[in-house]
Amino acid sequence: QVQLQQSGPGLVKPSQTLSLTCAISGDSVSSTSVAWNWIRQSPSGGLEWLGRTFYRSKWYYDYAVSVIGRITINPDTSKNQFSLQLNSVTPEDTAFYFCARDRGSFLPFDSWGQGTLVTVSS
Amino acid sequence: DIQMTQSPSSLSASVGDRVTITCRASQGISNKLAWFQQKPGKVPKLLIYAASTLQSGVPSRFSGSGSGTDFTLTISSLQPEDVATYSCQKYDSAPWTFGQGTKVEIK
Repeated sequence: QVQLQQSGPGLVKPSQTLSLTCAISGDSVSSTSVAWNWIRQSPSGGLEWLGRTFYRSKWYYDYAVSVIGRITINPDTSKNQFSLQLNSVTPEDTAFYFCARDRGSFLPFDSWGQGTLVTVSS
Repeated sequence: DIQMTQSPSSLSASVGDRVTITCRASQGISNKLAWFQQKPGKVPKLLIYAASTLQSGVPSRFSGSGSGTDFTLTISSLQPEDVATYSCQKYDSAPWTFGQGTKVEIK
């Protein structure tokens, strides 16, 4: 059974970069049948998909329009994990951040990380 | 991008009641619709995918229906452990989009 373990700081200063990592066990970041996602949820809001990476002979990336230009998702095959970097953060980026696996149009987010509350504050 | 609209945003019902939540897509998404349950302080849990297929381990009092643009999640007999926020999500093609969520409480 796949498990996703998130790590990263819970406090980031405005204008700096938010960085989180999601370590995968029970599956491979290079699997050709899944994708690896980042999703966030503001303290009183709904779920917002941020982006994903997946491998199909080469690496692909999809990002939400709301964060394009600020977001990077990187796979790390040596450590079987993937990361999120969100640049130039503001207090509006304060949220719970989740990593999650999907199987494309066959099965949506069936495994989730434990979530990380990231607060943007000076 | 396709927008997902849920209604109601919240509801309060008695134990044993039948509860219905609707989700509408701004364009057709075939049956590529999932429902998630998120209990307070917990990670979202996949309940239903392909509009009507129950994920393994989900109680049979949960059911889903719909295709195209209009979808429904039904709890046939509300239980205290069903207190949660329920969100729909379309997954026909990226970008993945969630509805705004429906908070279900016990009256």
